[in-house]
Amino acid sequence: AQSVTQPDIHITVSEGASLELRCNYSYGATPYLFWYVQSPGQGLQLLLKYFSGDTLVQGIKGFEAEFKRSQSSFNLRKPSVHWSDAAEYFCAVRTASKLTFGTGTRLQVTL
Amino acid sequence: SQTIHQWPATLVQPVGSPLSLECTVEGTSNPNLYWYRQAAGRGLQLLFYSVGIGQISSEVPQNLSASRPQDRQFILSSKKLLLSDSGFYLCAWGKNTEAFFGQGTRLTVV
Repeated sequence: AQSVTQPDIHITVSEGASLELRCNYSYGATPYLFWYVQSPGQGLQLLLKYFSGDTLVQGIKGFEAEFKRSQSSFNLRKPSVHWSDAAEYFCAVRTASKLTFGTGTRLQVTL
Repeated sequence: SQTIHQWPATLVQPVGSPLSLECTVEGTSNPNLYWYRQAAGRGLQLLFYSVGIGQISSEVPQNLSASRPQDRQFILSSKKLLLSDSGFYLCAWGKNTEAFFGQGTRLTVV
């Protein structure tokens, strides 16, 4: 069965610093991969997605992610974090009709 | 454009009472529909998904059930709530790509 691992439960970065959130997946074939962001008490918003093609994908709000098949990873990056980026971030993998999420990484941004 | 409506936003229910959460989608047809539960520190747990009317797949055995009486309506139910049913419930829809989420229902069982 497919699975998603986000090894970092909580990350704190300073505003203006770079960010990388880790995601590893387990799936036999090439997966469809996603990153979502959730503000407190809200639903999830899609940041970006990877289906095929260029392994570096650009998303909204200045985020990007890189698919590395050899490492089964899909890490999320942002060159310069803004205080408004503080939220919880979820990596997800789609197989057939199911969308499986990781346990999330809570991002705190210090000023 | 497509929209998803989920209600109520918050709900406080006594143990042993029934539950009905409703989710509807507009602007698309024959979507895949999902119910997720989010508990603190446990990410999003897929409860049910449906690929068509009357077709429900259950991911986690529990005292919850789901129904899809119409193409764009997805209902989460329970006959008797448990304390452990407390959490944040999210409905989502998708085709065979990404999923789009409602704003969620915060359920507190007391």
